[in-house]
Amino acid sequence: EVQLVESGGGLVQPGGSLKLSCAASGFTFSGSAIHWVRQASGKGLEWVGRIKSKADSYATAYATSVKGRFTVSRDDSKDTAYLQMNSLDTEDTAVYYCTRLRYTSGWSGLDHWGQGTLVTVSS
Amino acid sequence: DIVMTQSPDSLAVSLGERATINCKSSQSVLDSANNKDSLAWYQQKPGQPPKLLIYWASTRESGVPDRFSGSGSGTDFTLTISSLQAEDVAVYYCQQYYYPPLTFGPGTKVDIK
Repeated sequence: EVQLVESGGGLVQPGGSLKLSCAASGFTFSGSAIHWVRQASGKGLEWVGRIKSKADSYATAYATSVKGRFTVSRDDSKDTAYLQMNSLDTEDTAVYYCTRLRYTSGWSGLDHWGQGTLVTVSS
Repeated sequence: DIVMTQSPDSLAVSLGERATINCKSSQSVLDSANNKDSLAWYQQKPGQPPKLLIYWASTRESGVPDRFSGSGSGTDFTLTISSLQAEDVAVYYCQQYYYPPLTFGPGTKVDIK
């Protein structure tokens, strides 16, 4: 069974940092592209960033709203992806999901999602 | 960035009736590598992560009831629920995954009339 489990959320002051983890199981993590998506309370889904596999040179991409502040990384030996968040602002308060972009004869949607971890930025 | 729009913002449909949600992308999301539109639909219920319903604009995800169908191509897409069930009450999002930043539509809330 495919599982993605986020951890590391919590309360942080504006300007602070936080590192989220996404532990994966049930699939070949090293061959998968992992994405992060966030959702503020009562709002829609916002894509945050992604990291591709080693075969795609661990290519990363970010939303404009987080570029230069957030970094996506991965440790394939631990089947874990990370989201390092720096210079946090109250606007970053949200539930953060990690998810997998499936590849089957082409990219084919975000097929598995974690349950999410809540990040609250407040003084 | 590719901008995704959805209409309507919300709709209420009687049980057993059809629900139709529209999605428009600001540019084509056709992937020339496989000649498929990189367009997905997700269902999200309160307190739950999104669930993939449709990918490649019209391919139903395994296990998704066949009352859900996707259509369209290029920049205009539609999600149809042919016979609304109580468990279909949710917010539905379209998303393009053609090129980063991946972008979602604002969502359409579906309720029972």
